[in-house]
Amino acid sequence: AQSVTQLDSQVPVFEEAPVELRCNYSSSVSVYLFWYVQYPNQGLQLLLKYLSGSTLVKGINGFEAEFNKSQTSFHLRKPSVHISDTAEYFCAVSDHDDYKLSFGAGTTVTVRA
Amino acid sequence: EAGVTQFPSHSVIEKGQTVTLRCDPISGHDNLYWYRRVMGKEIKFLLHFVKESKQDESGMPNNRFLAERTGGTYSTLKVQPAELEDSGVYFCASSQDSQSYGYTFGSGTRLTVV
Repeated sequence: AQSVTQLDSQVPVFEEAPVELRCNYSSSVSVYLFWYVQYPNQGLQLLLKYLSGSTLVKGINGFEAEFNKSQTSFHLRKPSVHISDTAEYFCAVSDHDDYKLSFGAGTTVTVRA
Repeated sequence: EAGVTQFPSHSVIEKGQTVTLRCDPISGHDNLYWYRRVMGKEIKFLLHFVKESKQDESGMPNNRFLAERTGGTYSTLKVQPAELEDSGVYFCASSQDSQSYGYTFGSGTRLTVV
């Protein structure tokens, strides 16, 4: 089973500042990587995913993530955040050809004016 | 296209009572998954249906949990009797193929056992 570590549980950030959420995973085999977001009182929404190809993945709402195989990382970034980006963000991993996702513990991002 | 729908959105029950959670997947999605997040911890896999068959229930915590998917459409997850440690958010997801990249999640059911 995969192990996923989100290094920051809480990230406070000012509006229009950049943000980076860190994610590391344990597997040495080929993996799929995901970032999900949960806005207050809503379900899990897929932000972006890495399946293969370019290691820089662009997602919705201006987010992007970079897959680094040697460091087994998949950090999420946004150059300028909005108040509406306040949410909990989850990194998730699965092995190729597996249907199960392993999630990190989540990072709560709070954007202040 | 309607998304994955979960009922109820919130449930508060007393220890020892029974609760049934329901999930309606996206029409045509043969694969249905249950996950849960207990307070402050990771979201964890519970089980996987393909149509009406349980493919993998390795994540079910104990025999107080019973999942069904009659007719391969909606699914129910019953907890009987509920314990305090069952409190958390229960997520359902569906996908067309048995692949992790095809998931659509529902909005979850927040279960509080008091």
